[in-house]
Amino acid sequence: EAGVAQSPRYKIIEKRQSVAFWCNPISGHATLYWYQQILGQGPKLLIQFQNNGVVDDSQLPKDRFSAERLKGVDSTLKIQPAKLEDSAVYLCASSGADRGLSYEQYFGPGTRLTVT
Amino acid sequence: DAKTTQPPSMDCAEGRAANLPCNHSTISGNEYVYWYRQIHSQGPQYIIHGLKNNETNEMASLIITEDRKSSTLILPHATLRDTAVYYCIVPRRFKGGSQGNLIFGKGTKLSVKP
Repeated sequence: EAGVAQSPRYKIIEKRQSVAFWCNPISGHATLYWYQQILGQGPKLLIQFQNNGVVDDSQLPKDRFSAERLKGVDSTLKIQPAKLEDSAVYLCASSGADRGLSYEQYFGPGTRLTVT
Repeated sequence: DAKTTQPPSMDCAEGRAANLPCNHSTISGNEYVYWYRQIHSQGPQYIIHGLKNNETNEMASLIITEDRKSSTLILPHATLRDTAVYYCIVPRRFKGGSQGNLIFGKGTKLSVKP
């Protein structure tokens, strides 16, 4: 079974530029998550989708971050404009929850973003 | 929502058991405890979860105290590849209880030494 795919793996941009990350979850997984992980900290949930609907985006900085999952499969996370403090690893995860409520999430390798 | 407390770091000798503690004194009766780990430069990886009975799988064992206020993750024979940050999490459930998510803390950095 293929895992969660993310691209690009690395990205370097200047502040005030925009950037987009892509995630392809495990086939059949209805729930998709985007996390931000700053060096030395645990992952911080940005947004959670159930199929193509948003379940939780309470920690998403909506003035500059946006995310979509139009067909309930792939997802993109965009930052526009980027700030220096956005430098982090952006992780995508998915879960199937096919046996009731489950918190077994499968993570992709992440995208390391450096804002200069 | 129950919060967890873990030591920031631990060392373990290769081949020995690694016992990672976690306190979750405010956990409620129907809340599970989940454990994940994150090896350097990789995404987190699910290890195990439990409610009140001890659990074991191919990766680890989970011992939950009778009062459920703490738990211990046991790696029975730690190897160098077990060096990672280990996260103990009590998932946050939304009102209505049909969904929820994980709130990661800083975890315990386990260093397995030869």
